[in-house]
Amino acid sequence: LAKTTQPISMDSYEGQEVNITCSHNNIATNDYITWYQQFPSQGPRFIIQGYKTKVTNEVASLFIPADRKSSTLSLPRVSLSDTAVYYCLVGDATGGFKTIFGAGTRLFVKA
Amino acid sequence: ETGVTQTPRHLVMGMTNKKSLKCEQHLGHNAMYWYKQSAKKPLELMFVYSLEERVENNSVPSRFSPECPNSSHLFLHLHTLQPEDSALYLCASSQAGTGELFFGEGSRLTVL
Repeated sequence: LAKTTQPISMDSYEGQEVNITCSHNNIATNDYITWYQQFPSQGPRFIIQGYKTKVTNEVASLFIPADRKSSTLSLPRVSLSDTAVYYCLVGDATGGFKTIFGAGTRLFVKA
Repeated sequence: ETGVTQTPRHLVMGMTNKKSLKCEQHLGHNAMYWYKQSAKKPLELMFVYSLEERVENNSVPSRFSPECPNSSHLFLHLHTLQPEDSALYLCASSQAGTGELFFGEGSRLTVL
């Protein structure tokens, strides 16, 4: 399993765009990159998943460079309710069995 | 509402008690998981069931015993736990081949 490295914490203000970068130097050819969000005392919630280039949904965008050794989760115009822990995971899309979470990035959005 | 329901949401038990956590998924998925999340620690994968067969057991102590009677239900039987087992226990489900996990709200366990 590819190891991921993320910043431990980040601060932002309401209305700003937040970019959280994840390093995964040992990503394998079959691996996808998946991001989850977790609020206190709740289970993580899937945000977005991608393999290469750019993926966008109604919540976020995921940017993946050509070498795929890193990825950036972009949250447009954050609000106070986006304060949460964000996890970057790398693994075979068929290998949900091996989904291992790291420490994540604690995002704190201030008014 | 994630389609994964866990009960009870809160449980307090003594070290000599026997209790069970229950998880039910309404998503038609074919894989189910138990994770443990202790305070200020990453989620730890405990058990994985695929098509009702256990496919992963991450060196979890035998005082935790999982059961998956069908693809929609998952139990975690608890006995003679230790105070350090106090944590949030999260159940998740997925459809094999997608890699996307759907989590329940969790069961907060306190062992006295």
